[in-house]
Order: sequence, then structure tokens, then C-alpha cells
Amino acid sequence: QQQVKQSPQSLIVQKGGISIINCAYENTAFDYFPWYQQFPGKGPALLIAIRPDVSEKKEGRFTISFNKSAKQFSLHIMDSQPGDSATYFCAASGGNNRKLIWGLGTSLAVNP
Amino acid sequence: DGGITQSPKYLFRKEGQNVTLSCEQNLNHDAMYWYRQDPGQGLRLIYYSQIVNDFQKGDIAEGYSVSREKKESFPLTVTSAQKNPTAFYLCASSYPTGSNTGELFFGEGSRLTVL
Repeated sequence: QQQVKQSPQSLIVQKGGISIINCAYENTAFDYFPWYQQFPGKGPALLIAIRPDVSEKKEGRFTISFNKSAKQFSLHIMDSQPGDSATYFCAASGGNNRKLIWGLGTSLAVNP
Repeated sequence: DGGITQSPKYLFRKEGQNVTLSCEQNLNHDAMYWYRQDPGQGLRLIYYSQIVNDFQKGDIAEGYSVSREKKESFPLTVTSAQKNPTAFYLCASSYPTGSNTGELFFGEGSRLTVL
């Protein structure tokens, strides 16, 4: 049972455009929502994370938008660059277990 | 430099052989994890350990074994019982135990190919 649903599976964006990746969760006990970035042949690395007490968090060109009532959160990459081409994973954790639950990933390609 | 070191980076194995993947961290993290990554399937948790000499099964533990004799080390053995072992294996760590926010630090992975 997949508890965090991520879409789209793949995304192609032109340089300078906005990349948007969406995630939806089911468990209302989740209280931590990170995004990880993974380049080919490397391990994922934490990009940005949000807790449900805020609706938006911005770090440079990367923004997380969070909608608690809809149980959805999204990653926006402004002014997308070819160097942003990677696989992006959303995840969630919370409750007693605190095990991180992962989305299936989105492969982003930014064309020059 | 602090970090997680996985070795080997590439490994080839014949069917029926066990193989052990190494994971060492110098971040002084309490918790360590092993994930398996297959195309289109995201990251699946194999085993995790929150303290030395203790570990728990993840979602896909069958055919794998681990040990945690030292805080710094969490080796993974892929046994011959694992039906489809060809995959990219990722080791991760986090700190502190018991209040894991989900911030994981990953190694660069080990790619295992069964011939």
C-alpha cells in the first residue's frame, strides 16, 4: 500500500521554466515532509523539508507548498536549470513509528 | 570530511553466492539504514538499526541479513535466498535516535549485478 503518491513520474521542462512535482499522502499523523534530490549514480540528498505548521517554505529557487486540508504538498523549482536534472523524491514521516515513507520519484529533465 | 562510505561501488556476483556490502559512517549517527532502489520503484527499506547490537526488518528483508557490532558500521549481506538481487543498494544514517525527523544522509550506493 503506497501511502505517499507522487506525480508525475517524469517531467521535461525548458531552461528557465517552472518545474512542479506533486505528492499526496493519506496518514494524517504525518508531520514532516522532506524532498530529496538524486543525481544518476549517487545517493539522494535532502533538498528542502516542511512541517505542517506552515503552508510554504522557500530556499532559493526551491519552494515547498503544503495544503494540510487536501493532504497534498508540492515542490516548485523556479527558473529551472539543466543542472537541476535529477530524480526527485517526496517523503513523509510522523506518528509513533516515524519511519520515512517515500514517493516513487519523479525524473526531471531540464532542456538547455 | 564526515560522511557515509559504501563499498564496493560495483559488484558482480554469480547466482548462488552470498555477497556483503560495506557501509561505514563517521557522522556519529545512531541510526543506520539499508535501502534498495529499482527503476520506477522508489526506495524500499531492507533493514534499519537504531542502536548498536540491535536492528529491525524493513519492508523487504527476505533474503538479506545485517549486523551492527559497531556504531560506525552496518554491513548488508545479500544471500542466495534473495530471488532478484540485482539492484542499486543505498546505505543511510540519521541522528538522533528516537526523534528521527527523517533527515537521512546517504552514501553513494553499491550497484550489484547477478550474472
